[in-house]
Amino acid sequence: AQSVAQPEDQVNVAEGNPLTVKCTYSVSGNPYLFWYVQYPNRGLQFLLKYITGDNLVKGSYGFEAEFNKSQTSFHLKKPSALVSDSALYFCAVRPETTDKLIFGTGTRLQVFP
Amino acid sequence: EAQVTQNPRYLITVTGKKLTVTCSQNMNHEYMSWYRQDPGLGLRQIYYSMNVEVTDKGDVPEGYKVSRKEKRNFPLILESPSPNQTSLYFCASSSLLAGGGLTQYFGPGTRLLVL
Repeated sequence: AQSVAQPEDQVNVAEGNPLTVKCTYSVSGNPYLFWYVQYPNRGLQFLLKYITGDNLVKGSYGFEAEFNKSQTSFHLKKPSALVSDSALYFCAVRPETTDKLIFGTGTRLQVFP
Repeated sequence: EAQVTQNPRYLITVTGKKLTVTCSQNMNHEYMSWYRQDPGLGLRQIYYSMNVEVTDKGDVPEGYKVSRKEKRNFPLILESPSPNQTSLYFCASSSLLAGGGLTQYFGPGTRLLVL
């Protein structure tokens, strides 16, 4: 079955330190990959996507993600975390042959001052 | 402003009382979708639509209906709500233009409690 895994329910990081939120996937073919962020009492906001081309994708708010085909991963990264980055982050995958997004279960990022 | 709107934002109802959650987008998107968000389960797709009069089941369609009579609107209908449909619901829309990959834009959510 096609799936997306976010292995960490929560990630804690100190402000100013680098952060990584992990995502791995299991789909056939060449997937499209996405990261979304959800702030409290808000809808999901698009952060970045990988469709094709350069494996390192840059997105909103200084976030970036690296597509690794051999490890089937698409980890979200930021060089220096801000307290305002604290939110719920979702990884999503669109399998090549479908018109649907498969979401991970989400990772709560907590950035401490 | 480009946006997806949902109404109502909060709804408390009783088992069996039919309800409709409206969704509207002003971006002329072909694709629209409904999701439910539950703790520990992430987002699960209920129904989606590729264009007017074209709808298809997602992963958890049981107990829900949708219609797509106009491009901008995609209402979610619960004919006979049950407590297991208590959840946070999101509508989303997307362009089907090549290169977009189906990047979806989400509404603010509707929190539903079924007693």
